[in-house]
Amino acid sequence: EDQVTQSPEALRLQEGESSSLNCSYTVSGLRGLFWYRQDPGKGPEFLFTLYSAGEEKEKERLKATLTKKESFLHITAPKPEDSATYLCAVQASGGGADGLTFGKGTHLIIQP
Amino acid sequence: ETGVTQSPTHLIKTRGQQVTLRCSSQSGHNTVSWYQQALGQGPQFIFQYYREEENGRGNFPPRFSGLQFPNYSSELNVNALELDDSALYLCASSENRGINEKLFFGSGTQLSVL
Repeated sequence: EDQVTQSPEALRLQEGESSSLNCSYTVSGLRGLFWYRQDPGKGPEFLFTLYSAGEEKEKERLKATLTKKESFLHITAPKPEDSATYLCAVQASGGGADGLTFGKGTHLIIQP
Repeated sequence: ETGVTQSPTHLIKTRGQQVTLRCSSQSGHNTVSWYQQALGQGPQFIFQYYREEENGRGNFPPRFSGLQFPNYSSELNVNALELDDSALYLCASSENRGINEKLFFGSGTQLSVL
């Protein structure tokens, strides 16, 4: 069974204080690993897709990296508007349902 | 370009009742997926529809069923509601079946079962 574990569950940072969120996964065969951002009362918003170990992607203050067992979302010099829940998800290869398996998310608060 | 829209935004039902939730997919998208998100949890895959046929299903009982229409809009039906069905139900559309990159989510329907 595919599993995704995110840590920490919650993180409070000061504005400008860089940090990393962790996503550990077990999957039969990885088709893709996804990062989404979810604001209160909204649906998840796509950030990145990573396909193979060693791959990195960047968008503004966010950088996602991937190894064979985990992914990190690095947040550099965050601003209050980066406050949100960050969700990690995997999609397994090998046929069958194509749905994503999500972790519980990391609730990030950036204080001014 | 219109995004994914869901209706209603909130709904209150009692145990044993039936409910229908609706979703209009983003323009040009032919695949719709439904997810259930309980409080404090990540979304959980219910099923996916591609060109009006169910294309994959997660670990949900048969009382969860769906439809996709020729215009690619979709419905989620839940029969014999249980208290544990209380959750945020999310609809997501994508351009192609099997390629879940860039799922576009709606804001969801908050279902409360009393």
